[in-house]
Amino acid sequence: AQSVSQHNHHVILSEAASLELGCNYSYGGTVNLFWYVQYPGQHLQLLLKYFSGDPLVKGIKGFEAEFIKSKFSFNLRKPSVQWSDTAEYFCAVRGTSNFGNEKLTFGTGTRLTIIP
Amino acid sequence: GAGVSQSPSNKVTEKGKDVELRCDPISGHTALYWYRQSLGQGLEFLIYFQGNSAPDKSGLPSDRFSAERTGGSVSTLTIQRTQQEDSAVYLCASSPRRPGTGLYEQYFGPGTRLTVT
Repeated sequence: AQSVSQHNHHVILSEAASLELGCNYSYGGTVNLFWYVQYPGQHLQLLLKYFSGDPLVKGIKGFEAEFIKSKFSFNLRKPSVQWSDTAEYFCAVRGTSNFGNEKLTFGTGTRLTIIP
Repeated sequence: GAGVSQSPSNKVTEKGKDVELRCDPISGHTALYWYRQSLGQGLEFLIYFQGNSAPDKSGLPSDRFSAERTGGSVSTLTIQRTQQEDSAVYLCASSPRRPGTGLYEQYFGPGTRLTVT
């Protein structure tokens, strides 16, 4: 079975600070990886995704994530955060050998608060 | 274009009553999922529909939960004899299938917040 761990439950940063949110997964095969964001009062939106190829993926709003297979990690980064980045961030994994059930397994989320 | 829509946005019900939650996926999306988000927890998979295939019900927490998808489009999640632990936000997602690869991302609706009193 696949699982996802997000160890940072709540992160508080000042504007312009750099951000890194941790995500580790457990799965014995090839994976697809995702970061979703949920802004206050809004629904989940896809931030970025990794299917294959270059392990450094770039998403919307200046976010990027790096897939490190040896560490089973897919950490989210942004060099300079803005107040508008305040949201909840969810890491998710899909095992590609699960073809036939394409469900996502999510982490418990990290709440990010940016102080102006 | 229009995204995934869900109704109602909020539902308050008494313990023991049945509820129905509705999901309208993005037009043309063949896959539809239901997830549940409980307070302080991540999203928990409930059920998955893909085209005309039999649904994957492996995430349904009990036999009080059921779902159907009519005509390959709209889906209804039904919870019978609701319990307080059923209180959560129920999210629906849909996805297309990329030709040739089977790879795709999921697009989420706004959710239905269910409160069982």
